Amino acid sequence: DAGVTQSPTHLIKTRGQQVTLRCSPKSGHDTVSWYQQALGQGPQFIFQYYEEEERQRGNFPDRFSGHQFPNYSSELNVNALLLGDSALYLCASSSWSSGANVLTFGAGSRLTVL
Amino acid sequence: QQQVKQSPQSLIVQKGGISIINCAYENTAFDYFPWYQQFPGKGPALLIAIRPDVSEKKEGRFTISFNKSAKQFSLHIMDSQPGDSATYFCAAAPRGNYKLTFGKGTLLTVNP
Repeated sequence: DAGVTQSPTHLIKTRGQQVTLRCSPKSGHDTVSWYQQALGQGPQFIFQYYEEEERQRGNFPDRFSGHQFPNYSSELNVNALLLGDSALYLCASSSWSSGANVLTFGAGSRLTVL
Repeated sequence: QQQVKQSPQSLIVQKGGISIINCAYENTAFDYFPWYQQFPGKGPALLIAIRPDVSEKKEGRFTISFNKSAKQFSLHIMDSQPGDSATYFCAAAPRGNYKLTFGKGTLLTVNP
């Protein structure tokens, strides 16, 4: 049983560029959340998607946007990259009906902005 | 404003010893308190979780102790093993709210 899969694993971008990160949830899960984890810090909530809608958003600027597809997979887009956007981006899936905050995390996409 | 404060930042324990990690929270609306374990290069994995209607929950060598009046909860790892060496995060979420607020993490090293 595949867990949460994320791609790409690593990527390097330059300031001002745009990036798209992808996530496939665990089988049976219908809710996807995105977290940003800076080096040496705990994950910080970006936003959550259910039924292809953004349900909740953390304290992140509009440069961060997302999408959920009918198959429950999701994308995180970040525009106008800043050096401070360098971090591990974690996707987490859950089941809305049985506890949307009981999360299964993927291994993350490590973004480096130069 | 850090809503979940975790300590210590790092911890070294001998094999067979007890590892204790503490967290304190401010938001009285929090009602779900999970602990996550993260190995290098991996995402966090749910270890154990508690809701405030109980004061303690045990799963194998891992125990959560919860003190609602003090707004504190802790993770105890009994008979710590080198394979337990990882970063541990406490987290919290309010009822009906799906956003987890994480502590800054504790790097646990268990020496053989």
